[in-house]
Amino acid sequence: QLQLQESGPGLVKPSETLSLSCTVSGGSITSSGYYWGWIRQPPGKGLEWIGSVYYSGSTYYNPSLKSRVTISVDTSQNQFSLKLNSVTAADTAVYYCARQGYWVVGGLKRKWFDPWGQGTQVTVSS
Amino acid sequence: DIQMTQSPSSLSASVGDRVTITCQASQDISKYLNWYQQKPGKAPKLLIFDASNLEVGVPSRFSGSGSGTDFTFTISSLQPEDIATYYCQQYDNLFTFGPGTKVDIK
Repeated sequence: QLQLQESGPGLVKPSETLSLSCTVSGGSITSSGYYWGWIRQPPGKGLEWIGSVYYSGSTYYNPSLKSRVTISVDTSQNQFSLKLNSVTAADTAVYYCARQGYWVVGGLKRKWFDPWGQGTQVTVSS
Repeated sequence: DIQMTQSPSSLSASVGDRVTITCQASQDISKYLNWYQQKPGKAPKLLIFDASNLEVGVPSRFSGSGSGTDFTFTISSLQPEDIATYYCQQYDNLFTFGPGTKVDIK
């Protein structure tokens, strides 16, 4: 059974860089047909997709965060990582990693997030 | 950017009631819509993909319909374990989630 687990500091100072990792177990991060994504949820609010990475290193990001985000993959460790720089209080959220399914045949496509990690709380505060 | 709206933002219903949530996209997204369930303190779980297809293992009381800009999510007979927030999510162009609908038991 595929499982994902986020890890990283729970407290980050304003203007610094938020760094999180997601370790994948029960399956390979190099499986074809799957990207690996980050999604966040500010306290009491909805979900925001941050970006996704393929095992080859190919990435795509939410345009609203693109200038501050880097997502990378380490296939040797079966992990992928998130870096978000110049953080402010608005970046306080629960950060989730998830497997992103990706299926395109002809003119049809299907994309989905499943499973998800349990999430990790990150607070931006001095 | 594709924006998603949901209504209502919250609802309270009795066990056994039929519950309906609507989701609207700011532009035509064909059938490229998923529905997720998020229980308190837990990560979201995929329930429905392609607007109307039930994920494996999801109870048949859950269903979805719609295409284009207007979508509906239905619980045919609300159960206590269905207390959660439900999100729609488009994937026609990148990914955008709706603001969520919180479902409670009356």
